[in-house]
Amino acid sequence: QTVVTQEPSFSVSPGGTVTLTCGLSSGSVSTSYYPSWYQQTPGQAPRTLMYNTNTRSSGVPDRFSGSILGNKAALTITGAQADDESDYYCVLYMGSGISVFGGGTKVTVL
Amino acid sequence: QVQLQESGPGLVKPSQTLSLTCTVSGGSINSGNYYWSWIRQPAGKGLEWIGRMYTSGYTNYNPSLKSRVTISLDTSKNQFSLKLSSVTAADTAVYYCARDLGGFGAYYFDFWGQGTLVTVSS
Repeated sequence: QTVVTQEPSFSVSPGGTVTLTCGLSSGSVSTSYYPSWYQQTPGQAPRTLMYNTNTRSSGVPDRFSGSILGNKAALTITGAQADDESDYYCVLYMGSGISVFGGGTKVTVL
Repeated sequence: QVQLQESGPGLVKPSQTLSLTCTVSGGSINSGNYYWSWIRQPAGKGLEWIGRMYTSGYTNYNPSLKSRVTISLDTSKNQFSLKLSSVTAADTAVYYCARDLGGFGAYYFDFWGQGTLVTVSS
């Protein structure tokens, strides 16, 4: 079974830029996988950030952007702020009605 | 604004069936091109998609859980439900319900419930 891969953790300085990626254990991610991204802080439900690769959900600041970089989906935070410190999850659509979450990336802002 | 709220027993015995309900407010579960999904998260771990259902009755399930999962809709109550049979301690998790844009030009979850913790223990 194909696994969706994410970096376990990232650290970024306030005001800095960080790019999280979402890949496949076998194959390349394209827009046909409809990548979406979710932000989750401890004890809270996930918040939808991005869908269809690069469409920001309502109310999401434009310092968050989505793209395809090489063979992976990517979420870039430009000008990181303290409240961006969260876990970030990607989801890929595998076809046949199946969605798969990545393992999540813990982002620390310090 | 659509809101979702999970409800159900917080404690289930091993080998029994876990049953949860998600009540949708702020919109009809029958309107629009939406699926309705369940997602879970064991403590300290990542999110796992369980399955989705469309108002037509069409369902998709995570292959790893498919033999034990049933998702159903009650449009008269604007609710959808999850049943997971033969539970073990590994099914202990926070369970979320979510509105799902799957299948209509996009595949993502746009509104989420707050989650409910279900513990499997004797």
